[in-house]
Amino acid sequence: AQSVAQPEDQVNVAEGNPLTVKCTYSVSGNPYLFWYVQYPNRGLQFLLKYITGDNLVKGSYGFEAEFNKSQTSFHLKKPSALVSDSALYFCAVRPNQAGTALIFGKGTTLSVSS
Amino acid sequence: DVKVTQSSRYLVKRTGEKVFLECVQDMDHENMFWYRQDPGLGLRLIYFSYDVKMKEKGDIPEGYSVSREKKERFSLILESASTNQTSMYLCASREPGQGANEQFFGPGTRLTVL
Repeated sequence: AQSVAQPEDQVNVAEGNPLTVKCTYSVSGNPYLFWYVQYPNRGLQFLLKYITGDNLVKGSYGFEAEFNKSQTSFHLKKPSALVSDSALYFCAVRPNQAGTALIFGKGTTLSVSS
Repeated sequence: DVKVTQSSRYLVKRTGEKVFLECVQDMDHENMFWYRQDPGLGLRLIYFSYDVKMKEKGDIPEGYSVSREKKERFSLILESASTNQTSMYLCASREPGQGANEQFFGPGTRLTVL
């Protein structure tokens, strides 16, 4: 079965420190990969996506993600965390075929302390 | 900017009631989706629609139905609400095709079934 794993329910970092939110996937072929963020009582906002090409993808709010095909991972990163980055983060994949919806991980809560 | 709106932010219904959740998008997207979000389970796909009058079951369609009479509107119907359908419901839309087009989400409807 195709799936997405976010192994950490919660990640805690201090403001100014680098952050990483992990994601691995199990999808056949060459899927498209996404990160979304959800602030309290809000819908999901798109952060970035990987289609092909450079393994390091840059997105909104200073976030970036590194694609690693051999490890089937797509970890979200930011060099210097802000308190305002505290939110729920979802990794998602879409199999590279027509007529498919996004498959989401269970989400990781990021907490950035001042 | 794409805008996806949902008819209610909060909804309280009683067991056995028929419940309608409405979603409207203003970008002429052909694809629309309904997910439910539960803590620790992430987003799970209930139904999606490729186009008007077309629908496909997602991962958890039991107890739900959908209606897509117009391109901009995708309705989720709970035929007889039950307490285990208490959840956050998220609607999304997307440009069609096999490309890596991101899904745009509405703000969500938090449904409580008593």
